[in-house]
Amino acid sequence: GENVEQHPSTLSVQEGDSAVIKCTYSDSASNYFPWYKQELGKGPQLIIDIRSNVGEKKDQRIAVTLNKTAKHFSLHITETQPEDSAVYFCAASIAAAGNKLTFGGGTRVLVKP
Amino acid sequence: DADVTQTPRNRITKTGKRIMLECSQTKGHDRMYWYRQDPGLGLRLIYYSFDVKDINKGEISDGYSVSRQAQAKFSLSLESAIPNQTALYFCATSDLLGGETQYFGPGTRLLVL
Repeated sequence: GENVEQHPSTLSVQEGDSAVIKCTYSDSASNYFPWYKQELGKGPQLIIDIRSNVGEKKDQRIAVTLNKTAKHFSLHITETQPEDSAVYFCAASIAAAGNKLTFGGGTRVLVKP
Repeated sequence: DADVTQTPRNRITKTGKRIMLECSQTKGHDRMYWYRQDPGLGLRLIYYSFDVKDINKGEISDGYSVSRQAQAKFSLSLESAIPNQTALYFCATSDLLGGETQYFGPGTRLLVL
């Protein structure tokens, strides 16, 4: 089955700097790659996603890139703010197979003011 | 009001006890999922259901069972709890017509002594 690895496990950045989280996946059939943000005491919430027919997607300060050949994808957060402090999860799935998500291990991001 | 609710939010139980975690949703979604979250391991799929008559095992179903009582309700049972089932449990929903986004509940923190 699919295996998703996520790095780093923790990331500390200064407010205003950029943060980058990287994930690799094993199943070349995966075609849907969402990113979830989990704030303390809450469930994960989708912040951005990308499909295999797209190389990059942006939404304000966040962007995701996908390299299908290398089977890796990354989340980029620019101009980080304290409210970006959270745990971020990448995931992969085969959309036609019922959206069974395989998650990475998570990255705890701390934005220092 | 929350669209996906989980009860209880916290539970302490003893080894060998049977417990049930409940999930309800008001989103009208047909698909529901149960995950467990452990530090460093991300979220792992326990069971999922695409409609009331459809129940499927996920990655780590051993020791768990589920019941889809109605479109809006999906319960997870631990028949005989053991300490390594101590974890944070999340219910999620998605909609076949709405794409692959999964909406998570707030989680149930379970401690098995």
